[in-house]
Amino acid sequence: ILNVEQSPQSLHVQEGDSTNFTCSFPSSNFYALHWYRWETAKSPEALFVMTLNGDEKKKGRISATLNTKEGYSYLYIKGSQPEDSATYLCAPGDGQNFVFGPGTRLSVLP
Amino acid sequence: DTEVTQTPKHLVMGMTNKKSLKCEQHMGHRAMYWYKQKAKKPPELMFVYSYEKLSINESVPSRFSPECPNSSLLNLHLHALQPEDSALYLCASSQEHVGAAKNIQYFGAGTRLSVL
Repeated sequence: ILNVEQSPQSLHVQEGDSTNFTCSFPSSNFYALHWYRWETAKSPEALFVMTLNGDEKKKGRISATLNTKEGYSYLYIKGSQPEDSATYLCAPGDGQNFVFGPGTRLSVLP
Repeated sequence: DTEVTQTPKHLVMGMTNKKSLKCEQHMGHRAMYWYKQKAKKPPELMFVYSYEKLSINESVPSRFSPECPNSSLLNLHLHALQPEDSALYLCASSQEHVGAAKNIQYFGAGTRLSVL
């Protein structure tokens, strides 16, 4: 897996808005996909591990879906809060390595 | 304890200096990683150690020399670096390197390196 794309590159939303972003990857040789949240001056932190087509994972206000046949994953945040401001990275893997996408930088304005 | 500790947090070095970055984890993980991250780019994998043996070197120049003295420690020795090597260097660990989809990586906060 070489080409991982994330869109949008950055996003500004108001507190309380719901938002979503996309991770696209080649569907061949797919093994698993990880989502990470990276807050400024902190370590990247894993949010979800997704493996099966149709997977849907949820953690509080954040959820993610996976479509391995068409090669994309969506991350949704419901009712964004300022503490959700971070860069969200996806990392699809082929069983040997995980390759990080360029990330979506989310800013939630109070 | 899910912490990966990296030292130092910041490092400034000249092109003729020799320095080392250190990474430590006590989660019993058998895979450890070095990444390089430039501004507004994703982390790029440099090296992977699996069971204390180097298993992946992503064509990294020899001025970067990794070392894994034991299962908890990972070092990155730096020598004769170039200004373009200035970046954030992240260390990570996971239970295993390959095979298990749930091998999420636990990251340190990184070392911000500036080469003058």
